[in-house]
Order: sequence, then C-alpha cells, then structure tokens
Amino acid sequence: ETGVTQTPRHLVMGMTNKKSLKCEQHLGHNAMYWYKQSAKKPLELMFVYNFKEQTENNSVPSRFSPECPNSSHLFLHLHTLQPEDSALYLCASSQPGQTEAFFGQGTRLTVV
Amino acid sequence: AQKVTQAQTEISVVEKEDVTLDCVYETRDTTYYLFWYKQPPSGELVFLIRRNSFDEQNEISGRYSWNFQKSTSSFNFTITASQVVDSAVYFCALSEAQKGSSYKLIFGSGTRLLVRP
Repeated sequence: ETGVTQTPRHLVMGMTNKKSLKCEQHLGHNAMYWYKQSAKKPLELMFVYNFKEQTENNSVPSRFSPECPNSSHLFLHLHTLQPEDSALYLCASSQPGQTEAFFGQGTRLTVV
Repeated sequence: AQKVTQAQTEISVVEKEDVTLDCVYETRDTTYYLFWYKQPPSGELVFLIRRNSFDEQNEISGRYSWNFQKSTSSFNFTITASQVVDSAVYFCALSEAQKGSSYKLIFGSGTRLLVRP
C-alpha cells in the first residue's frame, strides 16, 4: 500500500474513445503530479498541481486534460489519443517543500 | 540544462553478488537533491533515498549503500549480497524546484537489474 492509488490499472481504448484516469492520495499531500513512462523514453513530467492549481504543463498535447478537484484527487481525461500515447501513466504526490514524491502503481494505457 | 545519465541499461548478476548501479548528473544549481527509486514489475516507483547537495556523506541502509561524489557528479548505488527480490528497474533522479514549492523530478533512463538464483 503506497498511499497513492491509481485506477484503472490497465486500460485499452480506441482512438475515438474518451476515458479518464484517476489518482487518489491518502498522505495529506498538497502537490500532485502526472508522469508518463514510455517504452523508449525516460520518465517525463506532464503536469503539476499545487493546492489544486495547475503550476506546470510540460508542453503536453491538449488531448490530455488534467483535473484536480481537491488536494486528494487528480484526474487525467483522455480523448482522441494516438497509438504513440500508449504508456504507463504514473501519478505522484508530495508535501510542499518536500522533495521526495510518492508514486502510485500506474495505469498501463494501450491505444488501439 | 539538468540531466541524469544511467549508462548501464541492464545488469545481470547471480544471487549473493554485489552490484553497483551508476548515476551521473548535470546541473547548474548549487542546491539540488538526488534520488534513487526502485520500480518492481508491479509498476509503482518505490522511493529509496534522497540526498541533498550539501551532504556528501555516504549512506548505508541494510544491504543498500550510496556513494555521492560531487567532484565527479556521481551518485552510485550498491547492493551487497544481492537477492532475487532485488530484480527491478532502478531510476536515479535529480530534482528541480518548481512554482508553488513542488519539485520536478528529472529521471535517468533506468537500469534493469536481474538477479538470478
């Protein structure tokens, strides 16, 4: 039990589908992150939220739309994805001012 | 620009051997943090250690030890008497401060460690 829970663990979607990834943390943290882990690239940061406000968008295409309704929940809404978007999407959280982030188990996304 | 290099893509050892995973970093910041994370097959990244740039003291935790050398910009990780359960992908990372007190982690490409019985 890592304290950061991601659902679903696996997702297969067509390029015309709309789906959402969910992340929930029970650690009392106020910063939340989405990272993408592709087969051929290092882990890369996508979005950062601090106290529900987005503070970083790392040039992510608009077909990925994050939402942070409160400090405990983070969503990633997906629409019209491409096969190259297939990857492991990891959510993380941290306490402001603390450098280490705690990660969930990820959602393995396959776009067909 | 900040960068983390893990030159070893994959290492295979026999159980009980010692193994060292290399990490070299680049940064212009004078204050920074270095990390090691373990990613088992289940997928989550497990935090192992954080080291700040002002603390070059080496650290030992059970079978794990870390050697931080600012002179060579390296932060190497050694597992002593490796076990099959150590098989995983290990990531070295460097932090970069962001707005609002959050930190961006810049990861190396990872080293896959396979420990054979």
